[in-house]
Amino acid sequence: AQSVTQPDIHITVSEGASLELRCNYSYGATPYLFWYVQSPGQGLQLLLKYFSGDTLVQGIKGFEAEFKRSQSSFNLRKPSVHWSDAAEYFCAVGGPGSARQLTFGSGTQLTVLP
Amino acid sequence: EAQVTQNPRYLITVTGKKLTVTCSQNMNHEYMSWYRQDPGLGLRQIYYSMNVEVTDKGDVPEGYKVSRKEKRNFPLILESPSPNQTSLYFCASSLSGAGRTSYEQYFGPGTRLTVT
Repeated sequence: AQSVTQPDIHITVSEGASLELRCNYSYGATPYLFWYVQSPGQGLQLLLKYFSGDTLVQGIKGFEAEFKRSQSSFNLRKPSVHWSDAAEYFCAVGGPGSARQLTFGSGTQLTVLP
Repeated sequence: EAQVTQNPRYLITVTGKKLTVTCSQNMNHEYMSWYRQDPGLGLRQIYYSMNVEVTDKGDVPEGYKVSRKEKRNFPLILESPSPNQTSLYFCASSLSGAGRTSYEQYFGPGTRLTVT
């Protein structure tokens, strides 16, 4: 069975500081990995995705994520956080054979201090 | 504009009163899905549909029904809602085909349901 763990429920950073959100997954084959962001009162927006190839993927809003197969991780990073990045972030895993079902982590709430 | 719409956005109801949450997409997507989001649990899949007249259970289907009579619509039905179905519900859809991009799901704005 596939699963996702986001070990940090809540992270607080100062505006301009760097950010790393952790994601560990369990999947029986090569996974497809996603990061979504949910702003207050909004639906989920896709930030970036990994299917194969280059393990460092770039997304929207200046985010990037690195796939590390040996660590079963797909951590999200941003070099300089903006106040508008305050939101909840979800990591998700899926892949061939999963009938397009995505399994989501429990989310990490990001607070940005001025 | 390409989008997934849900109605209503907010709903307060009482135990046992049947309700339907509608979901519609204008992207000609074959795949559609319903999730519920609860604090600390992330999103859990309720039902999904690979195409018209093809539906299947997700991880938490108990107490819910769905139908897929048209490609664009995928309503979620609660025949006898209970307080434990109070949650935030999201509909999602994805591109057609067997390629990788079919795993990129587009989400609606959510429906906040309260059952008293």
